[in-house]
Amino acid sequence: DQQVKQNSPSLSVQEGRISILNCDYTNSMFDYFLWYKKYPAEGPTFLISISSIKDKNEDGRFTVFLNKSAKHLSLHIVPSQPGDSAVYFCAAIQDGGTSYGKLTFGQGTILTVHP
Amino acid sequence: NAGVTQTPKFQVLKTGQSMTLQCAQDMNHNSMYWYRQDPGMGLRLIYYSASEGTTDKGEVPNGYNVSRLNKREFSLRLESAAPSQTSVYFCASGTPGYTFGSGTRLTVV
Repeated sequence: DQQVKQNSPSLSVQEGRISILNCDYTNSMFDYFLWYKKYPAEGPTFLISISSIKDKNEDGRFTVFLNKSAKHLSLHIVPSQPGDSAVYFCAAIQDGGTSYGKLTFGQGTILTVHP
Repeated sequence: NAGVTQTPKFQVLKTGQSMTLQCAQDMNHNSMYWYRQDPGMGLRLIYYSASEGTTDKGEVPNGYNVSRLNKREFSLRLESAAPSQTSVYFCASGTPGYTFGSGTRLTVV
C-alpha cells in the first residue's frame, strides 16, 4: 500500500524552463509534507516543506504547492539549472505528537536539466 | 561538523553472514532512523529511536535488529543476511527535514 506516490519516474527539462514534480498521497491524516533532493552516492538532503495549514511555500527558486482536497502536492523549480539534476523524493508525516518524525516517502522522480 | 556518519560505505556479504551497520551523529539529536532505499520503492523506514534508550519498528523491520548505544550512536544489525536485504541503507537523525548520512551500499550474494 503506497501511501505516497510519485507517478512520473523521470522528467527532462531545458535549462531556464520550469520543472514541475508531482506527488499524490492517500492518507488524509498526513499534515506535513517535505521534498528531498538526492545526488548519486549521497544521502538525501532536505529541500523544502509545507504544513497542511498552507497551500504554498516558497524558498528562492523552489515553490511547493499543496492541494489538500485533491491530496496532491507539487514542487516547482524556476528557472531550472543543470545542477538541479537529481532524484527528488516527496515525503509525508502524520504529526500527532506520536509520530517521532517517521516519514513516508514516494518512489522518487529523476530530474534531468539539459543545458 | 560531520553531521551523520555511516560506516562502512560498501559491503558484500554471503547469504547467512551477519554484520552491523554503524551510524553516529554529532548534532545532539534525540531521534534517529534507519531507512533502506530500493529501486522503485523510495525510502522505507526499518527502525527508529525516538530518544536514547528507546527503539521501535518501522515499515520493514523483519530480518533486522537495532541498538541505540547512546545519544550519538544507532546501529543496525543483520543477523543472517539474505539476498532480499541487498539495498542502500541510510541513517538519519533529527526532526522532519532531518539529516541523512551518505549511505551504505550492501550486496548479499
